[in-house]
Amino acid sequence: QKEVEQDPGPLSVPEGAIVSLNCTYSNSAFQYFMWYRQYSRKGPELLMYTYSSGNKEDGRFTAQVDKSSKYISLFIRDSQPSDSATYLCAMSVGTGTASKLTFGTGTRLQVTL
Amino acid sequence: DSGVTQTPKHLITATGQRVTLRCSPRSGDLSVYWYQQSLDQGLQFLIQYYNGEERAKGNILERFSAQQFPDLHSELNLSSLELGDSALYFCASGKSPVDNEKLFFGSGTQLSVL
Repeated sequence: QKEVEQDPGPLSVPEGAIVSLNCTYSNSAFQYFMWYRQYSRKGPELLMYTYSSGNKEDGRFTAQVDKSSKYISLFIRDSQPSDSATYLCAMSVGTGTASKLTFGTGTRLQVTL
Repeated sequence: DSGVTQTPKHLITATGQRVTLRCSPRSGDLSVYWYQQSLDQGLQFLIQYYNGEERAKGNILERFSAQQFPDLHSELNLSSLELGDSALYFCASGKSPVDNEKLFFGSGTQLSVL
């Protein structure tokens, strides 16, 4: 079993929909949680970064962490065609451990007109 | 544009060959990371350098090696290539050795081993 599980999709939604992307993990030591967006033929770019449990909002994006359930989510409001990309969750045990970031395999999102 | 430059964008080679992937980090970034991305394994950390010194190693095969030069660019050398080495190889850079929240990725090198 992988440490981080992520549904590969693809997930297809109409423009304007609310999107929910999720990851589950097995390592209870993870404390730092990130979401990366990766467009086709491009490298991942950091979207959201959260520490421990709770919610964090940035524009149309909300990251949610539930450590008791070992479950993290990324919500995208008012989705746009430009949000079509693969979304990767990543997590680490602590700061200073960039080398030990554990990534999910990514969920491919398609937002249609 | 992340500011991280990777060359070449595509590389096609045969089994048993050796290739070199190159990465120039963002201006001012001292840390360079190499990742391998395949469909079934996702992004896997290979190795990290900070200011010319190896900082951390991940699941890097003995056939692979890397270095970071005084001008901070880095090279990843892959030798005795096998079909299973076909993947996207990403370089990422950060300012400090502990910048796990501020990594900037290049566009990757797509390696195809035939």
